[in-house]
Amino acid sequence: DIQMTQTRSTLSASVGDRVTISCRASQNIKIWLAWYQQKQGKAPKLLIYKASTLDAGVPSRFSASGSGTEFTLTISSLQPDDFATYYCQQYNSFPLTFGQGTKLDLK
Amino acid sequence: EVQLVQSGAEVQKPGSTLKISCKVSGYTFTDYYIHWVRQAPGGGLEWVGLLDPEDGETRYAEKFQGRVTIIADRSEETVYLELRTLTSEDSAFYYCSNTGSSAITRYLQYWGQGTLVSVSS
Repeated sequence: DIQMTQTRSTLSASVGDRVTISCRASQNIKIWLAWYQQKQGKAPKLLIYKASTLDAGVPSRFSASGSGTEFTLTISSLQPDDFATYYCQQYNSFPLTFGQGTKLDLK
Repeated sequence: EVQLVQSGAEVQKPGSTLKISCKVSGYTFTDYYIHWVRQAPGGGLEWVGLLDPEDGETRYAEKFQGRVTIIADRSEETVYLELRTLTSEDSAFYYCSNTGSSAITRYLQYWGQGTLVSVSS
């Protein structure tokens, strides 16, 4: 199985900050990576697919990059609605696997 | 509008069998795979398996092999997850989600609201 690692389990930041969340794959997954945002008590929401493509309706302050084994999600100017947990997920091969999540909280 | 609507919360006894549902609408049922993903309270996301509603083909995470079945009722446009021999470790939110059928579209685009399953004696 491909292991997905998000090194920071928690990240503290303030409104207006630029934030970067990292994700590493245990083997080459090319660009087959998605990012999800999950708020407490809600289902995850797709933000990014194919490593860098924003899903419809996702604000442009979100961007993502990477290929192979190293990936990042960036929020250019943190808004109050962005405090949530973020997960990466690879879909290069089965089983689909997720990072353990990075919780973004208020500094 | 694409919607995945899941059945309600369940309380189950250890050793019993769980069966929960995911009814889809807003698109052609057979066009997209349905996946099940679970999340233990306070935990991360874990892929359980998928079903292709077109032909009923399934694929499961090795961890659940032999204990899980995903089936579809095409007439009701509903997919069911059955999980047998429950233990307390199966207590979690269970989500259904859909993806494209090709490898490059297997990101989980639309999600159900989740079904909370509690396993307790």
